Amino acid sequence: EAQVTQNPRYLITVTGKKLTVTCSQNMNHEYMSWYRQDPGLGLRQIYYSMNVEVTDKGDVPEGYKVSRKEKRNFPLILESPSPNQTSLYFCASSLSVAVEQYFGPGTRLTVT
Amino acid sequence: GDSVTQMEGPVTLSEEAFLTINCTYTATGYPSLFWYVQYPGEGLQLLLKATKADDKGSNKGFEATYRKETTSFHLEKGSVQVSDSAVYFCALSAGPYNTGNQFYFGTGTSLTVIP
Repeated sequence: EAQVTQNPRYLITVTGKKLTVTCSQNMNHEYMSWYRQDPGLGLRQIYYSMNVEVTDKGDVPEGYKVSRKEKRNFPLILESPSPNQTSLYFCASSLSVAVEQYFGPGTRLTVT
Repeated sequence: GDSVTQMEGPVTLSEEAFLTINCTYTATGYPSLFWYVQYPGEGLQLLLKATKADDKGSNKGFEATYRKETTSFHLEKGSVQVSDSAVYFCALSAGPYNTGNQFYFGTGTSLTVIP
């Protein structure tokens, strides 16, 4: 089944404790992206990747890191999480930037 | 820069009512336009899309027409059902003739359909 998977689905952590949210797709897509969803703000793009070893900042990259060492995986890293990073995070992938994206189920992160 | 503005919600309709959710965009060139739907507790799913001016995207009774002259992509459905209750997002991305690399989403419009 074609899908985008994210783990964990739910995470509660404390300020400053490094964490990684994994994202994997099995559709051989070149474009992958991370978003955060906040009430009243919709989805905002954090980082995106056009292909392996090619990543770039979206609109809200501060406090986040990503890497794309393999085509299928695109982990999101929070080196020192803060409470303002409490949010719902989505990973997405697509064949290219010009076509529809496929979304993972989301990761709800709470930073206390 | 590129952006999407969509109608504020929440919207509450009775079953079988007509639905319109407005979406306008700002973009250079010819973006691709999308409507996504998010059901409670789930990720976003593509509802419909259009890639050039005057294209009409349609799916599950929903329709939207790419209007370049008014920079709009309004979502419509003639008769909503309770099962259509969800959050709807308008989005744009670089089209085939653009050079941008990002997706832009609107803030989302929550729809509740009551029996």
